[in-house]
Amino acid sequence: NAGVTQTPKFRILKIGQSMTLQCAQDMNHNYMYWYRQDPGMGLKLIYYSVGAGITDKGEVPNGYNVSRSTTEDFPLRLELAAPSQTSVYFCASRGLAVDGKNIQYFGAGTRLSVL
Amino acid sequence: GESVGLHLPTLSVQEGDNSIINCAYSNSASDYFIWYKQESGKGPQFIIDIRSNMDKRQGQRVTVLLNKTVKHLSLQIAATQPGDSAVYFCAGYGGSQGNLIFGKGTKLSVKP
Repeated sequence: NAGVTQTPKFRILKIGQSMTLQCAQDMNHNYMYWYRQDPGMGLKLIYYSVGAGITDKGEVPNGYNVSRSTTEDFPLRLELAAPSQTSVYFCASRGLAVDGKNIQYFGAGTRLSVL
Repeated sequence: GESVGLHLPTLSVQEGDNSIINCAYSNSASDYFIWYKQESGKGPQFIIDIRSNMDKRQGQRVTVLLNKTVKHLSLQIAATQPGDSAVYFCAGYGGSQGNLIFGKGTKLSVKP
């Protein structure tokens, strides 16, 4: 009954360091998403994937990369961390729309600080 | 561009009262909306959804109303409880590939 699992929960990076935020889902969902949430703001879409091997940019993709080699996993890569990437990152997934329903299920988030 | 926004960033209600959280959207083509609840330190949690062919949908203690004429939807919480304290987001389907557009959120505080 895990749903969407994100690791790590917290991370502090120095400027210029790189890291990978992990996301895994066990619901056999085709669609997966990465969002960032800045304080007092809504969620902004970074990248998304409609299935293994397929990824596409969202609203704020600069400074990030993704890959989708399996249905279950959708890691987000930060190559050269910048203070502007300090945020809370959420991964989400959804299955095929049924009767027009399009519910995305979210992980607990990764809180990242770049200092 | 497309947007989904909430009218008030914060809302404070007395325990037991009803809460109403409002949301406006700009894309007339949006045909599906979701309300999420986000508790402190957690990810957004699905509350209730509504399709554009409906005006109203009810869940347990929650009701969503959709007014397509003025592009407005609201979330009503009956008999608000301390456990309802959270940030509430509305999200509308506004892009291709099932991408949702989120509003900024309303923080609901429940006073005992």
